[in-house]
Amino acid sequence: AQSVTQLGSHVSVSEGALVLLRCNYSSSVPPYLFWYVQYPNQGLQLLLKYTTGATLVKGINGFEAEFKKSETSFHLTKPSAHMSDAAEYFCAVSPASGGSYIPTFGRGTSLIVHP
Amino acid sequence: KAGVTQTPRYLIKTRGQQVTLSCSPISGHRSVSWYQQTPGQGLQFLFEYFSETQRNKGNFPGRFSGRQFSNSRSEMNVSTLELGDSALYLCASVLTSGGTGELFFGEGSRLTVL
Repeated sequence: AQSVTQLGSHVSVSEGALVLLRCNYSSSVPPYLFWYVQYPNQGLQLLLKYTTGATLVKGINGFEAEFKKSETSFHLTKPSAHMSDAAEYFCAVSPASGGSYIPTFGRGTSLIVHP
Repeated sequence: KAGVTQTPRYLIKTRGQQVTLSCSPISGHRSVSWYQQTPGQGLQFLFEYFSETQRNKGNFPGRFSGRQFSNSRSEMNVSTLELGDSALYLCASVLTSGGTGELFFGEGSRLTVL
């Protein structure tokens, strides 16, 4: 069984400020972890993913996330927010084995960027 | 490589009608999943099809059904529409051989039920 908790349905930052979106997961088997972004009136697109190996993962648009097994966390960060980062962000977990590719998604966090 | 294509993008129906949505996955992707997205419930898994067989199913009533064709294209159908079925319906495909479970989403079909 898997679950994902995203802390905060809305996060507001000023342009140029640090972005931190929190994600905690639970999984009975080693997980694959993902962050997806959804811009208005569009589908989701992959920002970054953790499968195996290096626990600090870099993605597109300057985002990165660190897999911390001891804390069961996969928080998303970006050093400096841009107006174009305003979107909905989803954390997801899927099992690394077992044949099922169906991820469990968090409820999403809406990132608001102020000028 | 073409992405996931969903049609139609927007549609309006009235209560009691039925609707069929279509999804063409990325070439070579054999697994297609469907999700319902609403402001109140977030992203909810409907079902997954692989090689023309439903492999996983979410917790939705029988009014929601789907199928997959031999070319991996998929359709979902909702019968006897209710106001609560108004949502963005997203289709996603995944490379099941040699992949890591990354989903590739279409832009969605936005259904409004009046």
